[in-house]
Amino acid sequence: GQQLNQSPQSMFIQEGEDVSMNCTSSSIFNTWLWYKQDPGEGPVLLIALYKAGELTSNGRLTAQFGITRKDSFLNISASIPSDVGIYFCAGPNSGNTPLVFGKGTRLSVIA
Amino acid sequence: DAGVIQSPRHEVTEMGQEVTLRCKPISGHNSLFWYRQTMMRGLELLIYFNNNVPIDDSGMPEDRFSAKMPNASFSTLKIQPSEPRDSAVYFCASKISGGAYEQYFGPGTRLTVT
Repeated sequence: GQQLNQSPQSMFIQEGEDVSMNCTSSSIFNTWLWYKQDPGEGPVLLIALYKAGELTSNGRLTAQFGITRKDSFLNISASIPSDVGIYFCAGPNSGNTPLVFGKGTRLSVIA
Repeated sequence: DAGVIQSPRHEVTEMGQEVTLRCKPISGHNSLFWYRQTMMRGLELLIYFNNNVPIDDSGMPEDRFSAKMPNASFSTLKIQPSEPRDSAVYFCASKISGGAYEQYFGPGTRLTVT
């Protein structure tokens, strides 16, 4: 089945720095979703992307649907301590089927 | 608006005991998903329902696992008998049926089997 590869697996950054992470697939996806999981909680939907080339923002977060439809990027500007968590990308496997999730990028912010 | 509700939030049980996890999806959502999350395997889909009907249970690890959805507002995941390797966080998620892909997750149940 389709797989999503996220990089980096983990990252440590200083508060105030910008963050970039990405998600790639060997197959074309028609929708990309980005979730954040806080420690001890369930994943929360951050941004949904539906169209190749689309750029969508949610506060300090910006996500892009890659033009090849095989990748997506998430950027966080001016990181703060509450950005700590695991960021997952996800997309529909094919047709009307459930989501495939990446393994996540674990973000740590050093104050 | 209430999100997905799961209970209990934490469960500690002894090997061999029956465990029942509960989920109430978001009102109006008619697709429901059960996931298991571990450090080693990440987030795994166990089973999902559309309109209370199980559609795909290929992710259920063994016959010890079973799930039901008796009505649109309630689902259970049962493990009988439980084993230490079942220790994980179990999430329930729901979404609107049809073309929308966005799933909304509950807070999870952390299961520890000793």
